[in-house]
This record gives sequence, C-alpha cells and structure tokens, in this order.
Amino acid sequence: GESVGLHLPTLSVQEGDNSIINCAYSNSASDYFIWYKQESGKGPQFIIDIRSNMDKRQGQRVTVLLNKTVKHLSLQIAATQPGDSAVYFCAESFRAGGTSYGKLTFGQGTILTVHP
Amino acid sequence: SAVISQKPSRDICQRGTSLTIQCQVDSQVTMMFWYRQQPGQSLTLIATANQGSEATYESGFVIDKFPISRPNLTFSTLTVSNMSPEDSSIYLCSVEDLASGGIWTQYFGPGTRLLVL
Repeated sequence: GESVGLHLPTLSVQEGDNSIINCAYSNSASDYFIWYKQESGKGPQFIIDIRSNMDKRQGQRVTVLLNKTVKHLSLQIAATQPGDSAVYFCAESFRAGGTSYGKLTFGQGTILTVHP
Repeated sequence: SAVISQKPSRDICQRGTSLTIQCQVDSQVTMMFWYRQQPGQSLTLIATANQGSEATYESGFVIDKFPISRPNLTFSTLTVSNMSPEDSSIYLCSVEDLASGGIWTQYFGPGTRLLVL
C-alpha cells in the first residue's frame, strides 16, 4: 500500500554537509526504485534509480542505497548545496521481467532545507 | 529524456465547473500517466493513459470524474469534472522514457495547480 502523510518529515543541514534521506517502501516484490526531487512550483525531477539486483548506485554527488531485507532505501547527497533544498520522494515499482511498464507508488516525501 | 509541457500551469475555478488539462510531449511515448498531488502530500496515480484504448483507472478514481483522452502518442488530456474544493491539487502528467543505463523510467511535467473555490 501507499504511505501518504499530512506532515512531511524535514531535514535541515548546513551547506557543505552530507545529507541522508531515508525511505521505507511497502511492497517486498518491488524491483525498481527511483528518487525524485521536487522544487517549489515544479514537477518531480528524476535524480537516480536502482534495480533490486543492486544494493548501491552512484551518480553525480548522489548515492542510492537499497536494503531489501528491511525494505529500506536511502539517498545520500554529498556536499549539500542551497540548490538542493527541495522535497525528495522515493518511488517503487514492480516490473517483473524488465518490462517498460510499471506503476509507481510514491513515499511520503522529505523536506530538505540547506542553510548557507 | 522527453520534454513535457502542461497547460494551463495554474487555474482558479468555481465549484461545479470542469477543467481540461493538456499534456504535450516532444517525442512519441507509449505510456503516459496522470497523478494528483494534494497540498502538502505525495503523488497518487489517477490513471494510465493508453493510446487507442480507454484509460486504466486506479482504485478511488473513476472515468466520470476524471475523463482522459489519448488521441496520439504525444498528447493527452485530463478533465476534472464537476469540481469541488476537495479537487484543489496539483495535477501532473508523466511519461515513460529511457533513462541512462537503458531502463525505462518516468519523467514528469511541470504540473497544473488547480484551486477550486
């Protein structure tokens, strides 16, 4: 099922610090996961994704970690900048066999605020 | 990735009226989706818009309230019918496209911000 809350968790960090945003997903059969960044007044922006056959994937300044045992996903942002301030959502999908179609179920989101 | 635009970007509507939201993509895509994001909340899938067939609706959403058209592979519309203040939300269009690494993933449009009075 979905996790939708009225009050989003918040994370405040200082510029230059590393940030870790966590997400607990609901479906143990999910095999594809995405992190999105949503800035105020904009649509969600794709950041990074990971398949269930991996436990870590790195991008530019971002790393996603997947722990299938406890159904936990995290997004690490290195050297956080004020421009990273946004709401971050994780999303999960089940797409057995690697088919292109998979409905996304979104987590509740985390508000990241970066202080200069 | 595909470039997605939506019209209108925002609107203020009176209860009982209907609003049609347009989603335009700069390339042909098979899968298009419509989401709702209520104030301060996460995204909820309304329906999957299939070209050449009826949309597939998620639990809690019905065609009479949210009729969808998908006339071709680059365009879709979502209508919010007989609106009430509870329909005040951001409505988002997304498409499936290839990401780096060869995985199909979803990209989102900028959203339509709807306020119903």
